[in-house]
Amino acid sequence: QVQLVESGGGVVQPGRSLRLSCAASGFTLSRYAVHWVRQAPGKGLEWLAVMSYNGDNKYYVDSVKGRFTISRDTSKNTLYLQMDSLTAEDTALFYCARDPYFETNWYFDLWGRGTLVTVSS
Amino acid sequence: QSVLTQPPSVSGAPGQRVTISCTGSSSNIGAGYDVHWYQQLPGTAPKLLISNNSNRPSGVPDRFSGSKSVTSASLAITGLQAEDEADYYCQSYDSSLSGVVFGGGTKVTVL
Repeated sequence: QVQLVESGGGVVQPGRSLRLSCAASGFTLSRYAVHWVRQAPGKGLEWLAVMSYNGDNKYYVDSVKGRFTISRDTSKNTLYLQMDSLTAEDTALFYCARDPYFETNWYFDLWGRGTLVTVSS
Repeated sequence: QSVLTQPPSVSGAPGQRVTISCTGSSSNIGAGYDVHWYQQLPGTAPKLLISNNSNRPSGVPDRFSGSKSVTSASLAITGLQAEDEADYYCQSYDSSLSGVVFGGGTKVTVL
């Protein structure tokens, strides 16, 4: 079954770090560009980052540059999002989403169900 | 404030046709970048509804259609059904921001 499953969310204090995981099944992650997108409670979608299929290129939205890092482990077929210096504004449901082709086409044909991150003291 | 502008809500009776607009600028839609649409049913993840302005992925009913003009795009739903109640988001690429941009989302209500 082709799917993405996020994990690693939870409640974290402001200023702390958290690492999210996105496990792919039914396809090989390294053959696609893969993105992270978040959705604050009751709000719209916000794109965060993308890693190219070969891992050579990573792009981030300005609001998370220097704080969030996208990475992957090809042996585990898993994508990660390391999030540092978290603030309350980072509270959201975090999705990983697949780009439909190996080249970055900048849209998403497959989404995970998301993992919830709550930043609160 | 989203880069792409959508109406917050639209509504229609069952069987009617509704349209959702998505207005961009010269650095995204107006620069020739494709527009994509997603449907988010309550409590679920977004789902790709229309890709590359007007292409329907396999399994998407032909009641959904997309179009694009110079700096805007539209999603039309014909023969509105109760199951179409959801949030709809347009999305494109922005060259000034060097990344993906979304509209603020439109809630479709079936009366």
